[in-house]
Amino acid sequence: ILNVEQSPQSLHVQEGDSTNFTCSFPSSNFYALHWYRWETAKSPEALFVMTLNGDEKKKGRISATLNTKEGYSYLYIKGSQPEDSATYLCAFNRSNDYKLSFGAGTTVTVRA
Amino acid sequence: EPEVTQTPSHQVTQMGQEVILRCVPISNHLYFYWYRQILGQKVEFLVSFYNNEISEKSEIFDDQFSVERPDGSNFTLKIRSTKLEDSAMYFCASSRTATDTQYFGPGTRLTVL
Repeated sequence: ILNVEQSPQSLHVQEGDSTNFTCSFPSSNFYALHWYRWETAKSPEALFVMTLNGDEKKKGRISATLNTKEGYSYLYIKGSQPEDSATYLCAFNRSNDYKLSFGAGTTVTVRA
Repeated sequence: EPEVTQTPSHQVTQMGQEVILRCVPISNHLYFYWYRQILGQKVEFLVSFYNNEISEKSEIFDDQFSVERPDGSNFTLKIRSTKLEDSAMYFCASSRTATDTQYFGPGTRLTVL
């Protein structure tokens, strides 16, 4: 069992503020780190796949960084909007092992 | 944009009954997966499927579980004799290759009474 941890479990952000949260994962035999955005009753939406140490990806106001040596990734939301309210899941897979191991998620609530 | 679909969205069944959860993966994808999330717990891997056979399965995926791709579009998960602890959200996912992004369906919430 691969231990993927996300912190914090939940957070509340004022509209317009920026926020970030973390995902930690085992650094050995790393292959890829995935971020998903999941709104209730919808499909988890793939945000980013990162494979290289130092990778930074951006999609609109959301961005992510990756440190494979120390085993963590940050997800940043700039200028939060109510539509950013969701649970953000990270998932990890090792080399030659394509099943995803998920963290418990960070639930973001953006207050207007 | 192509998406993974799942039916039904919610299934209620009695303990001991068989259930079949259905998924239609994205049409040009070759790798298929089932995951589940028990309420309050992490999403966990059940099984992966490629070239009409199981490529990997977890400890959870015991003899009570089976998967099938009965035709060119559907991918099903069968639980032969449901238990209370099978109550969970079941997600289907598909990917074009083994290393590509896995795209998830909206899930089927299974409630076993």
